[in-house]
Amino acid sequence: EIVMTQSPATLSVSPGERATLSCRASQSVSSNLAWYQQKPGQAPRLLIYGASTRATGIPARFSGSGSGTEFTLTISSLQSEDFAVYYCQQYNNWPPSAFGQGTKVEIK
Amino acid sequence: QLQLQESGPGLVKPSETLSLTCTVSGGSISSSSYYWGWIRQPPGKGLEWIGSIYYSGSTYYNPSLKSRVTISVDTSKNQFSLKLSSVTAADTAVYYCARESVTYGRDYWGQGTLVTVSS
Repeated sequence: EIVMTQSPATLSVSPGERATLSCRASQSVSSNLAWYQQKPGQAPRLLIYGASTRATGIPARFSGSGSGTEFTLTISSLQSEDFAVYYCQQYNNWPPSAFGQGTKVEIK
Repeated sequence: QLQLQESGPGLVKPSETLSLTCTVSGGSISSSSYYWGWIRQPPGKGLEWIGSIYYSGSTYYNPSLKSRVTISVDTSKNQFSLKLSSVTAADTAVYYCARESVTYGRDYWGQGTLVTVSS
């Protein structure tokens, strides 16, 4: 089973600043990685698939990169609505399809 | 626009079976391109994949829950269902259904339903 590890657990960022979130897979998942955003009381929302492709309607300030075992989600200039928890998920060896434990992006 | 909606009891007694249904609208559950999955989230914790089903009935379960989980599909009603047996307080969570793709990941989600296990 592939284990996904996200870091940091919490990221404190000021509005307008850049946020960089990391996700590591225990073995290669090629580019079959997705990122999700979850706000309190809401279902997760797909942000990025294929490691770097934005889902429909996702603003350009969100970008994904990486392949193999190391992945990054970058939010170029944090807006108030971006403070949330972000999860990565591999779908290369699927099922099973585990999520990372999440990174909470909070206001500094 | 595809929509998924979970339904079922919000309170289940310990040792009983949790039963939820996900109704898909705005698209067919019989599409060969997608799987349909259940994911849960205990209060204040992360996301846990429970299992998935293909329209043909092929199922895939999280090994940690496999002995207690059954997922089924009813293509005539455009629905798929989850049964989790012998529940305990540890099964208290928000349960989500989602569409799953080997290309996109999980691109559509239901709003989620809180199931509390308590006597």
